[in-house]
Amino acid sequence: NAGVMQNPRHLVRRRGQEARLRCSPMKGHSHVYWYRQLPEEGLKFMVYLQKENIIDESGMPKERFSAEFPKEGPSILRIQQVVRGDSAAYFCASSPPPGAKNIQYFGAGTRLSVL
Amino acid sequence: GDSVTQMEGPVTLSEEAFLTINCTYTATGYPSLFWYVQYPGEGLQLLLKATKADDKGSNKGFEATYRKETTSFHLEKGSVQVSDSAVYFCALSSTGNQFYFGTGTSLTVIP
Repeated sequence: NAGVMQNPRHLVRRRGQEARLRCSPMKGHSHVYWYRQLPEEGLKFMVYLQKENIIDESGMPKERFSAEFPKEGPSILRIQQVVRGDSAAYFCASSPPPGAKNIQYFGAGTRLSVL
Repeated sequence: GDSVTQMEGPVTLSEEAFLTINCTYTATGYPSLFWYVQYPGEGLQLLLKATKADDKGSNKGFEATYRKETTSFHLEKGSVQVSDSAVYFCALSSTGNQFYFGTGTSLTVIP
């Protein structure tokens, strides 16, 4: 039973390029969450998605960031026109339909470096 | 809003020493509480959890008790090993939709 799969593990982009981060949830999970971890900090919630729906994007920056979770295929976190401050580890988590007792299962993360 | 305050590190201990990492929380409801561990270059793994007051979560020799009266969920282990070296995150979730994480405590155990 594969866990949450994220790719790529490492991504290097130059300023102004686009970064696309992919996340395949655990089998049977239909809820995906994206978090960002800046150096020396904890994880900060970005967005929560179900298939074809954004449920909560209260943690997403207003510009350049977008996320989707299509009916088929992985969830994508897209960062347009990257800047150095976007350098961070981006973690995806998945869960079955959430409730207060549910657990989120995390992928190994994508480490984005912006040159 | 909900938040977690975690003991700052880094923490360095000798093998077989006693470990405590403090965690306190603020929440409007009755959250579930978690400890996650992150080994170098890896994602977060759930270490233990507690879903209601006075519950004790335990795993791999680690324990934490959900204390509603002190709004705390301190992580303890009686005898640490070198393999326990990692970053430990305290987290809470009231709804299951969004987790709130502490800033993490880096633990290094030396032989």
